[in-house]
Amino acid sequence: EIVMTQSPATLSVSPGERATLSCRASQTISSNLAWYQQKPGQPPRLLIYGASTRATGIPARFSGSGSATEFALTISSLQSEDLAVYYCQQYNSWPYTFGQGTKLEIK
Amino acid sequence: EVHLEQSGAEVKKPGESLKISCKGSGYSFTSHWIGWVRQMPGKGLEWMGIIYPGGSDTRYSPAFQGQVTISVDTSISTAYVQWSSLKASDTAKYYCARHSPDCSSGICFPYFDYWGQGTLVTVSS
Repeated sequence: EIVMTQSPATLSVSPGERATLSCRASQTISSNLAWYQQKPGQPPRLLIYGASTRATGIPARFSGSGSATEFALTISSLQSEDLAVYYCQQYNSWPYTFGQGTKLEIK
Repeated sequence: EVHLEQSGAEVKKPGESLKISCKGSGYSFTSHWIGWVRQMPGKGLEWMGIIYPGGSDTRYSPAFQGQVTISVDTSISTAYVQWSSLKASDTAKYYCARHSPDCSSGICFPYFDYWGQGTLVTVSS
């Protein structure tokens, strides 16, 4: 089973600043990585798939990068509505696995 | 418009059985994998298993193999997960999700783009 490790566990960023969240896979997953945003009481929302392709309707301030084992999600200019937990997830091989999540706080 | 409608919240006692559902609409139900994800209170997301309604190919994560059964009824475009004997540790919110193919590498891999609203299952004596 591929283990996904996210860092940091919690990130505090001021509005308008850049936020960078990291995700590492325990073995290579090519670009078969998705990022999800989950707000309290809501289901996960797909932000990025294929490591860097924004899903339909996702604002351009969200971008994904990386391949093989190292990945990042960048929010270029943080908005207050970006307060959420962010999960990476590999879909390279079954069982698909999520990282433990990064909680993004607004400073 | 693609929509996944999940059944309502359940409160059960340990040892009872349960089957929750996820009804797909707005797309070809038999052409997309459906996955089930568990989220225990205050915790992260865990894949339980996936099923392909077009052929009933079913895969389980090791932690859930033998603990749950995933099935579909294509006549009503609905996927299910069921427990034969619930435990308190099954208390969680359960989400279904639908796949789309990522074929950018020349081989198609499934990512999950549409999610149901979740079903809260509470198991308590």
